[in-house]
Amino acid sequence: EVQLVESGGGLVQPGRSLRLSCAASGFTFDNYAMNWVRQAPGKGLEWVSSISWNSGALGYADSAKGRFIISRDNAKNSLYLQMNSLRPEDTALYYCAKDVGATTPWYFDLWGRGTLVTVSS
Amino acid sequence: LVLTQSPGTLSLSPGERATLSCRASQSVASNYLAWYQHKPGQAPRLLIYAASTRATGIPDRFSGSGSGTDFTLTISSLAPEDFVVYYCQQYGNSPQTFGQGTKLEIK
Repeated sequence: EVQLVESGGGLVQPGRSLRLSCAASGFTFDNYAMNWVRQAPGKGLEWVSSISWNSGALGYADSAKGRFIISRDNAKNSLYLQMNSLRPEDTALYYCAKDVGATTPWYFDLWGRGTLVTVSS
Repeated sequence: LVLTQSPGTLSLSPGERATLSCRASQSVASNYLAWYQHKPGQAPRLLIYAASTRATGIPDRFSGSGSGTDFTLTISSLAPEDFVVYYCQQYGNSPQTFGQGTKLEIK
């Protein structure tokens, strides 16, 4: 089955770290760029970060620069997001999304159901 | 590049025609605009890309149009399962951005 399954979310205190994972199946993972997109409570979608097929090109939203690190392991068909120095405004449902291309973020033809991150003391 | 979707909420009845707007603060390069459908608790679903091309498996009651700064998603005859939230996304200008969404509700 073609799917993306996120994990790793939870409740974390401000300033702490969290690592999200996304397990891909049913398609050739290392042919495509991958992305993280989030949705804060009551808000719309916000692109967070992207990574090209070979990890050669990384992209971050301004809100993530310097704090979040995207990575992938093609041997394990997995995508990751290391989130450091977390803030309450990072509270959101985080989605893993498959790009239609291999490099620059395009549009996304497969999404997971998301993993919830709550940043609160 | 900011995308503004209107209206925020659209109240219609099943069988009616829905017209959703997405306006860009500057021209979207190559009309690289996509539309997604998002049901609560589920993964978002790609409907349209390149402004007017339907994604695989999308019913033909969904259509996209527009160019430059003004884009439209039209649902020709609303089915009960269409009453959810719709987002536009531009990917022609870096960084790619999403609109804030239009919620389609049953009147």
